[in-house]
Amino acid sequence: QQQVKQSPQSLIVQKGGIPIINCAYENTAFDYFPWYQQFPGKGPALLIAIRPDVSEKKEGRFTISFNKSAKQFSLHIMDSQPGDSATYFCAASPHSGGGADGLTFGKGTHLIIQP
Amino acid sequence: DVKVTQSSRYLVKRTGEKVFLECVQDMDHENMFWYRQDPGLGLRLIYFSYDVKMKEKGDIPEGYSVSREKKERFSLILESASTNQTSMYLCASSFTGTGDIYGYTFGSGTRLTVV
Repeated sequence: QQQVKQSPQSLIVQKGGIPIINCAYENTAFDYFPWYQQFPGKGPALLIAIRPDVSEKKEGRFTISFNKSAKQFSLHIMDSQPGDSATYFCAASPHSGGGADGLTFGKGTHLIIQP
Repeated sequence: DVKVTQSSRYLVKRTGEKVFLECVQDMDHENMFWYRQDPGLGLRLIYFSYDVKMKEKGDIPEGYSVSREKKERFSLILESASTNQTSMYLCASSFTGTGDIYGYTFGSGTRLTVV
């Protein structure tokens, strides 16, 4: 099984801080790295995604940093807000563009942003 | 918006029962997936399908089967439910594109309890 290792398992940050969630992978065939956000009672929703031809991607307050040589990628949340409290999953797939093989997910990070 | 609808939010079944979990998507997506989500284990792929009547095993297919008779509908079947299949089940769908990054759209999940 191709693994994606995610850390930390849980994280508490004060409002306005910058939580960082890290993921590492082994399979060099992975070329699509999305992050999903899940609120209680809901399914995961795509937050932001990156391909390995870029080292960073920003969408609003969310940034993915990607280090291809280290096979690591991370999610940063700028100016975090209590509404960002959720579970975050990193994932990876050997197919960009929504391939049919299914994503391999990390185990998730439960993030709490304290007011 | 793409919608992935799972027929039941909560189900309670007895050990040994045959259980059907239904999933319908309304955006003509080729690919459909079933995941289970367990605390500390993240999301694990059970089965996926990239076309009508086609199915592929994911990482944990044992004890499950699937059916995809129509493009919009993907059913997960527990042939003889066991207590270790108590979990949150998530259905997802995606479009197979090229060049761009497409996300997976998840349903809200079915929380199954086997007693």
